[in-house]
Amino acid sequence: SAVISQKPSRDICQRGTSLTIQCQVDSQVTMMFWYRQQPGQSLTLIATANQGSEATYESGFVIDKFPISRPNLTFSTLTVSNMSPEDSSIYLCSVSDSLVSREQFFGPGTRLTVL
Amino acid sequence: AQSVTQPDIHITVSEGASLELRCNYSYGATPYLFWYVQSPGQGLQLLLKYFSGDTLVQGIKGFEAEFKRSQSSFNLRKPSVHWSDAAEYFCLTGAGSYQLTFGKGTKLSVIP
Repeated sequence: SAVISQKPSRDICQRGTSLTIQCQVDSQVTMMFWYRQQPGQSLTLIATANQGSEATYESGFVIDKFPISRPNLTFSTLTVSNMSPEDSSIYLCSVSDSLVSREQFFGPGTRLTVL
Repeated sequence: AQSVTQPDIHITVSEGASLELRCNYSYGATPYLFWYVQSPGQGLQLLLKYFSGDTLVQGIKGFEAEFKRSQSSFNLRKPSVHWSDAAEYFCLTGAGSYQLTFGKGTKLSVIP
């Protein structure tokens, strides 16, 4: 299974600022995803990070608020822009490289608190 | 679109007792089904998966799950729970794409 790291592991930010979260995988993977887990909630898919092209966003998430980059097959970033306290969540990246089983492996997450 | 329902928000069992966590999916064709566990302060770990073949699947940590098409269910079971099993458990389903849909999760508490 892939080993995934995220930076930062946690941060406390002021409202109106932006934070970029990095996701690094130890091997090339086909698919990378970004999820949000709000306090006490399940995970919600934000977008699929596409290598070399614009990310594919789920309903309720927009590029201006959550710009995503994926310059290669092992790295992606998610930016949370113009933050408000409602953005306080855990943000997780995941990867999948199995055409058969579709299982995903998750990073440790980034815990974001917005004051 | 596929969906998954975990009807139990919180379950408490005594250590050594058996466990069954329920999961129902909604999808016309055979779905991809997964159970993940999220321990406090830990990341998400894959327990087991089903996408074809034998409907009874074995996972890590002594867990198993059975895919029942007639009931649209994929319940997670363990014959004897350990205190270290206390965590939140998520059932996930996927359809034709790589995207997975999470259930709302079931929090498991274990009484010593």
